[in-house]
Amino acid sequence: SAVISQKPSRDICQRGTSLTIQCQVDSQVTMMFWYRQQPGQSLTLIATANQGSEATYESGFVIDKFPISRPNLTFSTLTVSNMSPEDSSIYLCSVKRGSGANVLTFGAGSRLTVL
Amino acid sequence: DAKTTQPPSMDCAEGRAANLPCNHSTISGNEYVYWYRQIHSQGPQYIIHGLKNNETNEMASLIITEDRKSSTLILPHATLRDTAVYYCIVRSGKTQGGSEKLVFGKGTKLTVNP
Repeated sequence: SAVISQKPSRDICQRGTSLTIQCQVDSQVTMMFWYRQQPGQSLTLIATANQGSEATYESGFVIDKFPISRPNLTFSTLTVSNMSPEDSSIYLCSVKRGSGANVLTFGAGSRLTVL
Repeated sequence: DAKTTQPPSMDCAEGRAANLPCNHSTISGNEYVYWYRQIHSQGPQYIIHGLKNNETNEMASLIITEDRKSSTLILPHATLRDTAVYYCIVRSGKTQGGSEKLVFGKGTKLTVNP
């Protein structure tokens, strides 16, 4: 299965700033996703990162707030823009394994705290 | 929204089998049942999935009832490292991009006690 590295693993940020999270996969993958996990909550899908084109965002998430890049089949970034304390969450990158059932591999996550 | 119902918490003694139930009474005929777990401060980890038949792998067994309205994940010999939140997921529609979408519910917090 794919191995995913996320950076940073955690960070403390000031209100109004932006932070970019990197996701590196050790093999080429077609489907890559970004999730958010707010404190004490379950995971919510933010968007699908599409290689060579704009990401596809789920309801409630917009590109201006969460711009995503996917320059190739092994790498993606998620930026959390103009952060507020409500953005304090764990952000997780995941990839789909194979072309059959929807089995996802997740990175360890990036824990952001916004002061 | 999640299409599954799980107990919020369960306890299990180390070395005993942990049986985690899940109700998915509105499951469609072609929808898989997936199980993931999330150990504290880590990303979710895939455990097993199934459609109709019972499944077993090196981590667990999945028992799906004949009417497919419920399932049970079995960890045969639970260890302290199995303490985690266990998510039962049924495919819950499509992403905005058209691919299958996994919707995570609140899961079951399993605590394995020494």
